[in-house]
Amino acid sequence: QVQLKESGPGLVQPSQTLSLTCTVSGLSLTSNSVSWIRQPPGKGLEWMGVIWSNGGTDYNSAIKSRLSISRDTSKSQVFLKMNSLQTEDTAMYFCARNGEPFDYWGQGVMVTVSS
Amino acid sequence: DIQMTQSPSSLPASLGERVTISCRASQGISNNLNWYQQKPDGTIKPLIYYTSNLQSGVPSRFSGSGSGTDYSLTISSLEPEDFAMYYCQQDASFPPTFGGGTKLELK
Repeated sequence: QVQLKESGPGLVQPSQTLSLTCTVSGLSLTSNSVSWIRQPPGKGLEWMGVIWSNGGTDYNSAIKSRLSISRDTSKSQVFLKMNSLQTEDTAMYFCARNGEPFDYWGQGVMVTVSS
Repeated sequence: DIQMTQSPSSLPASLGERVTISCRASQGISNNLNWYQQKPDGTIKPLIYYTSNLQSGVPSRFSGSGSGTDYSLTISSLEPEDFAMYYCQQDASFPPTFGGGTKLELK
């Protein structure tokens, strides 16, 4: 069955770079696209970006300058890197398969930006 | 970007009650509207896609409707497991955007 699982550090210092991994099973990254979506505490969902099945990427213009999404298809992993973190980047970070709708979601990983 | 506005933000309701959550887009989205449920543990589950199509495994008490800029999610008879957050999301236009959420809580 399809599963996605996020992993990464729970705490990141301001101005540092966040690195997260989404490990997928039950689907191939060469025929499926994966998005990253985040949710600040007590707030709604914000789509961050996508890596398409062909390896191309698209990003939310609000964070495009700080964000990079990549993948390792042999390991079934999708990576998120976001630099210059600020306290407002504190959020739960989810990866999700780009179906219509986003039809499979990971459980999320909480990231706190604090010194 | 298309802005999605949900109402109400909080909805107290009783078991067995029929409830409706509304979602309005800042421009027409041609039925490209999806609904999600988020449980208190943070788990997110898709409910409805393309306005009115139930995701596999979703109970038939959930239904969706709408057109143009106005859409709604209806739960015909609330079960205990339905008390959660609900989000609408448009994918008519890039980037995909979500509503602010509706908290369905036990009255």
